Amino acid sequence: SAVISQKPSRDICQRGTSLTIQCQVDSQVTMMFWYRQQPGQSLTLIATANQGSEATYESGFVIDKFPISRPNLTFSTLTVSNMSPEDSSIYLCSVSLVPYEQYFGPGTRLTVT
Amino acid sequence: TQLLEQSPQFLSIQEGENLTVYCNSSSVFSSLQWYRQEPGEGPVLLVTVVTGGEVKKLKRLTFQFGDARKDSSLHITAAQPGDTGLYLCAGQGLGSNYQLIWGAGTKLIIKP
Repeated sequence: SAVISQKPSRDICQRGTSLTIQCQVDSQVTMMFWYRQQPGQSLTLIATANQGSEATYESGFVIDKFPISRPNLTFSTLTVSNMSPEDSSIYLCSVSLVPYEQYFGPGTRLTVT
Repeated sequence: TQLLEQSPQFLSIQEGENLTVYCNSSSVFSSLQWYRQEPGEGPVLLVTVVTGGEVKKLKRLTFQFGDARKDSSLHITAAQPGDTGLYLCAGQGLGSNYQLIWGAGTKLIIKP
């Protein structure tokens, strides 16, 4: 398994501003993922972040809105840009140690006012 | 596009009762995972099933993968309040190594 931490755990932001969420893993991993989740609902994949290459975004998510950095094998950031109330959600990072199992951070609860 | 239909979406039962959650698809999956998520935390992997017909037990939880690898079930015996949470199934599509296809989730409440 892997131990994953996220910062911040929660934040309240004004519309039009940006927030960068950090994800730190206690071991080196190739595959990292960023998800969005409404409370009590399923996960929606935003993008897959591999170290040394551009992130791959899912349909409905674009780099200008959700830029991702992956500077090394233990760290990644997701920025939510030009926020609107519709961006209020829980943002989760996860890693995959074996091809079909993912381990998640505790999430960042974002509220946009 | 592969889809996973999870049911029920919400279940509220008394402590001591049994329950079953289902994940169904028309597509074949290489493997299927079950996760549990508690409020304020990320999902935690409970089990992975890989072989058609496979049954795995985790204390009072029994997981089954369908013979055709298109469906799975989670059965909880004598549910306890500590079982309360959001249960998510996720499938590894054929030809996919890392990305998962997620079910809609089952919100389970066990009342003492």
